[in-house]
Amino acid sequence: DAKTTQPPSMDCAEGRAANLPCNHSTISGNEYVYWYRQIHSQGPQYIIHGLKNNETNEMASLIITEDRKSSTLILPHATLRDTAVYYCIVSNAGGTSYGKLTFGQGTILTVHP
Amino acid sequence: SAVISQKPSRDICQRGTSLTIQCQVDSQVTMMFWYRQQPGQSLTLIATANQGSEATYESGFVIDKFPISRPNLTFSTLTVSNMSPEDSSIYLCSVEGARDESYTEAFFGQGTRLTVV
Repeated sequence: DAKTTQPPSMDCAEGRAANLPCNHSTISGNEYVYWYRQIHSQGPQYIIHGLKNNETNEMASLIITEDRKSSTLILPHATLRDTAVYYCIVSNAGGTSYGKLTFGQGTILTVHP
Repeated sequence: SAVISQKPSRDICQRGTSLTIQCQVDSQVTMMFWYRQQPGQSLTLIATANQGSEATYESGFVIDKFPISRPNLTFSTLTVSNMSPEDSSIYLCSVEGARDESYTEAFFGQGTRLTVV
């Protein structure tokens, strides 16, 4: 799996958009970009994923650059409960090794009042 | 989706002893994964457990230290053997599950917080 680079920490004001960047310059053509988050004392939770098109779901939006070498996770209206470690992961989807995820250090997002 | 239950949720153990962590899934899954998260660190995959075969261990992890059982498609155990304080970590069980027809995602248990004294 390709490696990812994320800033170690970010701050965001409650109610504002949180934009979390991720670099994955060695991503291969069949690898998806996944985002998970880990709230303190819990297991990681899936947020969103994408291949090359921008994606949006009830939790977040994912913007992937045209060359696919970087992406941004957007939490449109951050709340205090969004304070967590956010992991950007690239992996093949649907293969038998899918569940074998390689976690980087992630970004600690702190949402403050 | 998949719901995963891990037991125990936390434990404090004496060095030199062993602890067996259980992972129960509410649906049948082919593979189950065990991760370790050391204090302040990210998750590291220990091994992949398939039903009916021996677990596959990642570099740096060995069966003698972390024996794994996978007796059926909904259950697995991870044993941390001959524990030392360096084994103090959160141990997480994970499975692959389908959110819908188009893709799968990884589901995680709440983890077992182990402290070795």
